[in-house]
Amino acid sequence: QVQLVESGGGVVQPGRSLELSCTASGFIISGYALHWVRQAPGKGLEWVAVISYDGSKKYYADAVKGRFTISRDNSKNTLYLQMNSLTAADTAMYYCARDTTSGYSRYDYMDVWGKGTTVTVSS
Amino acid sequence: QSVLTQPPSASGTPGQRVIISCSGSSSNIGSNIVSWFQQLPGSAPKLILYSNTQRPLGVPDRFSGSKSGTSASLAISGLQSEDETDYYCAAWDDSLNAVVFGGGTKLTVL
Repeated sequence: QVQLVESGGGVVQPGRSLELSCTASGFIISGYALHWVRQAPGKGLEWVAVISYDGSKKYYADAVKGRFTISRDNSKNTLYLQMNSLTAADTAMYYCARDTTSGYSRYDYMDVWGKGTTVTVSS
Repeated sequence: QSVLTQPPSASGTPGQRVIISCSGSSSNIGSNIVSWFQQLPGSAPKLILYSNTQRPLGVPDRFSGSKSGTSASLAISGLQSEDETDYYCAAWDDSLNAVVFGGGTKLTVL
């Protein structure tokens, strides 16, 4: 069964850091680009970042550029999101999602999503 | 303000056909494929249309999609009470080098 499971969420103080993980099962992530998407409480979906199959290409939303880092360990079948200098605006459910392409030359659409992990930034 | 524009709400009665629009620009919808997601309360988004018009296995053929120029639309025919939830469109944006989502449409079945 193809599945993504996020972990690492929690309550963190403003200005602090947090690292999210997303572990895949039922497929090998090395063939796919992977995304992080977030959703603030009561709000719509907001794309955060994408990483190509081999980690050579990374793109970020302006709202997180310079603060968040997306990475992957294909040997562990796991995707990561390092989040620094967190603010209340980063409070959201964070989803990882699989792209149907490798991300070598393009990105198409997200066909598999995890159930999400909640990040709350509060003092 | 979302890069892709969707109506915040839509409604219809059971059995009716409803259309949800998604408007973008030449750098996103105009040059890339559109996907649509359904999100039930408390759940992760679920892919219901990809490549503008294609349905994943298991998605009823009541759901259909189209794209013309810089706009796309999701049509739901034979509306059912279980269709009452949120819908989002998405596409890659070549200028932003980012995935852009619509703001979401809350569908109400009257």
